[in-house]
Amino acid sequence: DIQMTQSPSSLSASVGDRVTITCQASQDIVNYLNWYQQKPGEAPKLLIYDVYNLQTGVPSRFSGGGSGTDFSFTISSLQSEDVAIYYCQHYHSDPWTFGHGTKVEIK
Amino acid sequence: EVQLMESGGDLAQPGGSLRLSCGASGFTFSIYSMNWVRQAPGKGLEWVSYISSRGNTIKYADSVKGRFTISRDNAKNSLYLQMNSLRDEDTALYFCARASLSRAGTFDIWGQGTVVTVSS
Repeated sequence: DIQMTQSPSSLSASVGDRVTITCQASQDIVNYLNWYQQKPGEAPKLLIYDVYNLQTGVPSRFSGGGSGTDFSFTISSLQSEDVAIYYCQHYHSDPWTFGHGTKVEIK
Repeated sequence: EVQLMESGGDLAQPGGSLRLSCGASGFTFSIYSMNWVRQAPGKGLEWVSYISSRGNTIKYADSVKGRFTISRDNAKNSLYLQMNSLRDEDTALYFCARASLSRAGTFDIWGQGTVVTVSS
């Protein structure tokens, strides 16, 4: 199975800060990499698919990059409504696995 | 409005069974593959099972293989998960999630989840 290692596990930043989360796959997953946002008490929401493609309606302050085994997710200017847990997920081959999540809080 | 709504979650004893349902509305259910994803209390997300649009391709996580059965009824716009031989570690919030067209492992619409608790 492909393991997804996300870091950091949590972070605290100020409104307006640039925030970056990394995700490393245990083997090459090409570009089969998605990012989800889960706000407290809510279902996950797809933000980015195939590394860098924004899902419809997702604000442009969210972006993704990388390829192969190393990927990143960035919030260019953190807003209060971005408080959530963010998960990376691969779908290169089943089982499709998620990273353990990064909890983003406001300082 | 595109919507998924799960039901059937309950308290079950170890070794027992439950059947989860997921009703779809606002989109053409029969052309989309579907998934179940679960989240144990305070933990991350775990993909559980996948079924293709016509039900001819099915996948399971190793943790549930042989115990859980995914199925669907396109005439009723419904997805199901039959859960047998339940274990304590199956306790979780179970989400149904639609797979994006042409990206089977991308979950673009999620329900709110139904809670399964396995305990004696």
